[in-house]
Amino acid sequence: GNSVTQMEGPVTLSEEAFLTINCTYTATGYPSLFWYVQYPGEGLQLLLKATKADDKGSNKGFEATYRKETTSFHLEKGSVQVSDSAVYFCALSDSGGGADGLTFGKGTHLIIQP
Amino acid sequence: NAGVTQTPKFQVLKTGQSMTLQCAQDMNHNSMYWYRQDPGMGLRLIYYSASEGTTDKGEVPNGYNVSRLNKREFSLRLESAAPSQTSVYFCASRDGLGNTIYFGEGSWLTVV
Repeated sequence: GNSVTQMEGPVTLSEEAFLTINCTYTATGYPSLFWYVQYPGEGLQLLLKATKADDKGSNKGFEATYRKETTSFHLEKGSVQVSDSAVYFCALSDSGGGADGLTFGKGTHLIIQP
Repeated sequence: NAGVTQTPKFQVLKTGQSMTLQCAQDMNHNSMYWYRQDPGMGLRLIYYSASEGTTDKGEVPNGYNVSRLNKREFSLRLESAAPSQTSVYFCASRDGLGNTIYFGEGSWLTVV
């Protein structure tokens, strides 16, 4: 079956530092890949997505590139802010439908210190 | 811009009580899901519905029942609440074209 592996953290960085959160996946088909963000006390919001190999998703200064050869979708940001403190989930979704079509990583807790 | 709406946002139950979490989406999606989120466990799928009239068990279905009332609504019922069901519950729906998943804002449930 499908699976998603990401670093769980917590990851603690200083403001303006460079961020990388690793995400690798296992899938039998050709999934779409997503990063979701969850701020304290809130639900999950879509941060960015990529639907095919070599696509780059980007939003709010975050980027991730769909790398089929390494089965990865690492999240990066050049200069983080305190407001980026949140939990980040990597996910994949394939066209198979049903429960097998959705797989989430366990989430990475990011803490940005001023 | 309602998206996925779930109620209630907060609830405290006594052990053995029953309750229903309501969820509705206005995006005309076929697939809907109920997840629970616990510290260190990530998101775990309770039940899902691939289309109106169908429901299937996910990873952790015990102690729960669901109803897909129509295309818009997907409810989750706890028949006899237990402290182990203290969690944050998320309803979600999926866009069948782009496979994007949209979440509700969550329901914080405490069973004492």
